[in-house]
Amino acid sequence: TQLLEQSPQFLSIQEGENLTVYCNSSSVFSSLQWYRQEPGEGPVLLVTVVTGGEVKKLKRLTFQFGDARKDSSLHITAAQPGDTGLYLCVRVQGAQKLVFGQGTRLTINP
Amino acid sequence: EAQVTQNPRYLITVTGKKLTVTCSQNMNHEYMSWYRQDPGLGLRQIYYSMNVEVTDKGDVPEGYKVSRKEKRNFPLILESPSPNQTSLYFCASSGEPGQGDYSNQPQHFGDGTRLSIL
Repeated sequence: TQLLEQSPQFLSIQEGENLTVYCNSSSVFSSLQWYRQEPGEGPVLLVTVVTGGEVKKLKRLTFQFGDARKDSSLHITAAQPGDTGLYLCVRVQGAQKLVFGQGTRLTINP
Repeated sequence: EAQVTQNPRYLITVTGKKLTVTCSQNMNHEYMSWYRQDPGLGLRQIYYSMNVEVTDKGDVPEGYKVSRKEKRNFPLILESPSPNQTSLYFCASSGEPGQGDYSNQPQHFGDGTRLSIL
């Protein structure tokens, strides 16, 4: 059973546009992580969110954790070709048992 | 350089021929895990280990074995591989002692092992 739903699964946009990726669950997260994965490599951590309502920024990327800690979003402003990759949200269920969303494959066209 | 090293990176083999994928980390991490990544399914946890000689099943453990005899190594063993185990496999480690809540620390992934079972 997929416990984390990411949307959209695929997104292809032009350089300079803005976009938002969503991660949703029916149950409460204790904490949530976002990773980015590029071809031929393993995922790399972008951010960890812990507190409901928390907002974290990483240059042009803004991560938000929902007030009820059941959802999260990733917003990219003025997307660049270097943002291309697979974005994964991950729920940590204690003792290092992780549950991944199916991912959003993002393509930024020059 | 801090890293997780998997070997081999690519392997094509036949049904029933035992194989081992090695994983080693040099960061003194407490936790190590194995995942498989399949299109449309994301990454699914196979096994994880919280310390030496302590391992536990993840979501898809059938057909796999692991061992954690040393802190730095966590090999994945397929005793009798089958075609449905064809996948991209990742090893990860986390949990640096003295750096706070382990559950919020980053997972450090290897670069993956692409297995094809014919």
